[in-house]
Amino acid sequence: GESVGLHLPTLSVQEGDNSIINCAYSNSASDYFIWYKQESGKGPQFIIDIRSNMDKRQGQRVTVLLNKTVKHLSLQIAATQPGDSAVYFCAENGGGGNKLTFGTGTQLKVEL
Amino acid sequence: GAVVSQHPSWVICKSGTSVKIECRSLDFQATTMFWYRQFPKQSLMLMATSNEGSKATYEQGVEKDKFLINHASLTLSTLTVTSAHPEDSSFYICSARPTDRGYDIQYFGAGTRLSVL
Repeated sequence: GESVGLHLPTLSVQEGDNSIINCAYSNSASDYFIWYKQESGKGPQFIIDIRSNMDKRQGQRVTVLLNKTVKHLSLQIAATQPGDSAVYFCAENGGGGNKLTFGTGTQLKVEL
Repeated sequence: GAVVSQHPSWVICKSGTSVKIECRSLDFQATTMFWYRQFPKQSLMLMATSNEGSKATYEQGVEKDKFLINHASLTLSTLTVTSAHPEDSSFYICSARPTDRGYDIQYFGAGTRLSVL
């Protein structure tokens, strides 16, 4: 029979535009956050991280913003390229035991 | 740096057999490694935390006798799926937490696609 699966939220952007991927986290005890990129059939790849004593951190073409008041995390990708197409997950460490809790993920599609 | 190697990347086995998956941190030591399972278009689900030299800690609902974990050294953890059945078919991913970091970063392997016939 036909299987029905979950559908990831999808963000479609034009090549060259900026992308913003959002994540809401739930655990007030979390003090460390990571963004991962996962391409199809591969494991998650570290992109950028931020600790709770910061509200912004920049990397190469990527910026992470943290708003602890509303428990919100975002990933900004500048000048999005086709190679940025992937699923992006946020992760937080509030579960204890060195564990990470992952968000549901966002599928980024870059249109030429 | 921070490379995690996972092997095999893809395995097909018959129902009732056991399959072993290896996870190695190549350029760092990892006292703690993690094993995840991922279904299509879903997030990562933590199965267990693997601690070097001690027993693994399993998440609720994960059968420890079915998913055997061994973490015998600071660079190697193994997951053995015992008496595999078709419902165990999935994408299994390991990660490693560098021992020398003061925060909870994890670096991931490339994953293992398990198909049980």
